[in-house]
Amino acid sequence: GAVVSQHPSRVICKSGTSVKIECRSLDFQATTMFWYRQFPKQSLMLMATSNEGSKATYEQGVEKDKFLINHASLTLSTLTVTSAHPEDSSFYICSARDQGSLNYGYTFGSGTRLTVV
Amino acid sequence: DAKTTQPPSMDCAEGRAANLPCNHSTISGNEYVYWYRQIHSQGPQYIIHGLKNNETNEMASLIITEDRKSSTLILPHATLRDTAVYYCIVRVASSNTGKLIFGQGTTLQVKP
Repeated sequence: GAVVSQHPSRVICKSGTSVKIECRSLDFQATTMFWYRQFPKQSLMLMATSNEGSKATYEQGVEKDKFLINHASLTLSTLTVTSAHPEDSSFYICSARDQGSLNYGYTFGSGTRLTVV
Repeated sequence: DAKTTQPPSMDCAEGRAANLPCNHSTISGNEYVYWYRQIHSQGPQYIIHGLKNNETNEMASLIITEDRKSSTLILPHATLRDTAVYYCIVRVASSNTGKLIFGQGTTLQVKP
């Protein structure tokens, strides 16, 4: 089946620094990937839609200058949390859809636990 | 995409069937019902989806009412590893770029 790899799985960074999270579709191409954020005991909140070769589409309330998304190829999207602060500490999850299987659904990465100290 | 309503939590005894309900009374004719689950600190995992017919795979069965306003996910023999948050989502399957919007889901606790 479709596999999405997310790296790193866990990262701790100092306040004010930037952190990059990678999301790769390993065995399929994805023109669209999605980035979610999840706080403890809450559901997944969609942050943005990452489109290969074009600008990402951000959900209302998500700062595009703080959460930079790059989707340079059909298998890789990156999320950079810039000037991270403790309130950015969260579980970040990406997902992608196998275009070769329209009815299959979305495949999710294993998530990245970000802790800003 | 149509909104869904699920009970916040449910318990199930190990080895028994777990029946998780979902209401989607505003579902449109071209919207599918998808089920995902999220085990603690992992990414969501696809379980099953359907349009109007009942569906079964190696993980679960999906029962959709005739009017399509509600559905039930059935885990036939729940194990402790099935403890997770289960999300019911409705969306148009043919949309390549459509977003998956998660509700609060149902936290299923399988007990020994």
